[in-house]
Amino acid sequence: EVLLVESGGGFVQPGRSLRLSCTAYGFTFGENSMSWFRQAPGKGLEWVGFIRGEPYGGATQYAASGKGRFIISRDDSKSTAYLQMNSLKTEDTAVYYCTKMGGSYGDYWGQGTLVTVSS
Amino acid sequence: QSVLTQPPSVSGAPGQRVTISCTGSSSNIGAAYDVHWYQQVPGTAPKLLIYSNTNRPSGVPDRFSGSKSGTSASLAISGLQAEDEADYYCQSYDSSLSVVFGGGTKLTVL
Repeated sequence: EVLLVESGGGFVQPGRSLRLSCTAYGFTFGENSMSWFRQAPGKGLEWVGFIRGEPYGGATQYAASGKGRFIISRDDSKSTAYLQMNSLKTEDTAVYYCTKMGGSYGDYWGQGTLVTVSS
Repeated sequence: QSVLTQPPSVSGAPGQRVTISCTGSSSNIGAAYDVHWYQQVPGTAPKLLIYSNTNRPSGVPDRFSGSKSGTSASLAISGLQAEDEADYYCQSYDSSLSVVFGGGTKLTVL
């Protein structure tokens, strides 16, 4: 059974950094692309970025909202993907979801982790 | 402002059929990028409902179906059930190298 478990969310002040983790179970992690999405309170879904699997060299792509501030990485030995968020803004407040990518869609989603950016 | 356009809400009585539209442009849906649909019950994570325009993941009832034509796509739900009450999102890819979403549609089962 595929399972994705996010962690690392919490309360952080504007301008600070936070790193989210997503640990995967039940599939061959290294062969798969992983993506991060987010959902601000009461709002719709927004793509944050993705990292391709080892067969594709682990290339990354980011949404404009996080480009230059967010970094996605992975440690295939730990079956874990990371989202490093720097220079956080209040508008980054959201539930962050990691997904396993089946092509260009998220076929399995984690339960989400809440990030609150506030002074 | 979402790149893909969905109606904010739709409703239907149990047993009825409803459709949710998703309108894009020549840089996403019209550029032959696939459309995918997610169901999100409030307070829970989204769940993949339809992938690559028309395909249902294992476990999704055949009451749910997807279609795509030109710059638009649609999700149809037949035989509405109370458990179908949720938010529905369409998603595609854009030639600006970005994954894009619709703003979501709230389905109310009357």
